[in-house]
Order: sequence, then C-alpha cells, then structure tokens
Amino acid sequence: EVQLLDSGGGLVQPGGSLRLSCAASGFIFTDYGMTWVRQAPGKGLDWVSTIDYSGGSTFFADSVKGRFTLSRDNSKNTLFLQMNNLRVEDTAIYYCTRGFYDVDVWGQGTMVTVSS
Amino acid sequence: DVVLTQSQFSLPVTLGQPASISCRSSQSLVHSDGNTYLNWFQHRPGQSPRRLIFRVSNRDSGAPARFSASGSGTDFTLKISRVEAEDVGVYYCMQGTHWPRTFGQGTKVEIK
Repeated sequence: EVQLLDSGGGLVQPGGSLRLSCAASGFIFTDYGMTWVRQAPGKGLDWVSTIDYSGGSTFFADSVKGRFTLSRDNSKNTLFLQMNNLRVEDTAIYYCTRGFYDVDVWGQGTMVTVSS
Repeated sequence: DVVLTQSQFSLPVTLGQPASISCRSSQSLVHSDGNTYLNWFQHRPGQSPRRLIFRVSNRDSGAPARFSASGSGTDFTLKISRVEAEDVGVYYCMQGTHWPRTFGQGTKVEIK
C-alpha cells in the first residue's frame, strides 16, 4: 500500500525553526518528485515546495523562499522540509504529497502553529 | 502566477441531482511536453485531500464513476452525475504546468 507519513509539526515561536519529515512506503521513492502543500486555518490549499526525483532541483512559493529548504534522503525514502524564521502566517496543516506535475497521494498532514 | 478561478464558493445541491464545478485559468495549462496538468481534488472534513481527476479528464482508480471532468486550454469542469451524501466537501482544481503551482480557491459542495 502506498503511504506517506508526515511528522515534525508542533508549536513554535515566531522566528523559530521546525523540520518536517515525510516517510514514504509502498512505492519506488526515487521514481517520483515530491511536493508539500499547506492549508491555513479556514483557508484553501496552498502549494509550498516541490523537489524532483533526484533531489537536484527544488522549487518554492515566494512566501517561503529563502526561509524553507527541501531535501530528500533516497536511501531512507524520506522527505524533509526545513522551516526557518517561521512567521505567524506559516501556521497551517502541512501535507506531504507525491508528485512533480501531477500530485496524487497525500499524507495525513502535520500541524504547525507559529505563535508567541 | 497562474490564477485558477472557481466561480462558485458554495454549491448547494440536491441528493441524486447533477452538479458541475468550473475552473478557469488565467493562462493556458498546456505544457511544452503536450500534457495539460490540471487535477481535481476532493477534501472532506477531517480527512486529507484526495485526487479524483488528473490531466483534465482521467479519473483516478477508486474515484467513483459518477465523477467526470473535461476541458482544455483555460476552461475546465468537474461534474458529478448524481450527488450522494458522501460527496459533501470542498473541491479544488490545481495546475501542475507552471511554477508556482496553484490551486483554485475551492468550491464547497453541500446538500440542500
């Protein structure tokens, strides 16, 4: 069964950092690009970042560029989203998803709350 | 950035009746590789989003046959042939052709 298990969310103060992880199973991880999507409370879905299958190319929304980095460990089938200098407006459920152009499988989501 | 406009914020529907959700793009979604990367997602309360349709009109395995979609270029439509109670939720279109990827603002399907 194809699965994505998101983790690493929590409560952090403005300016703080968090690292989200996404453990993939049930498919060949290196065949797929991977994407993070978030949903702020009461809002719609918002694309955050995408990485290609090799980890050689990454793409970011302007709202997180320069603060977030995306990487993957293909030997461990794991995706990482390092979030630095967090802002109140980064508060959201973060979903790990599979895909580069077409996003299909979604993780269960992990909640990030940025508040003082 | 590509703006995807779903014209209906809310769509009240009668059980057993058809429903249609539109998604209009501010620019063509035809990629240089010839594919049109327009997806439709269903987001039920308390669950993760679920993809129903990929590349305009291809229904995902597991998506009920009552869901269909069509469109080209900049205009796309998701249709439910006969709405069931389990179809309640928010529906989003998303484009994967251009950077940054973008979503429509969502259409909330609710039962009258």
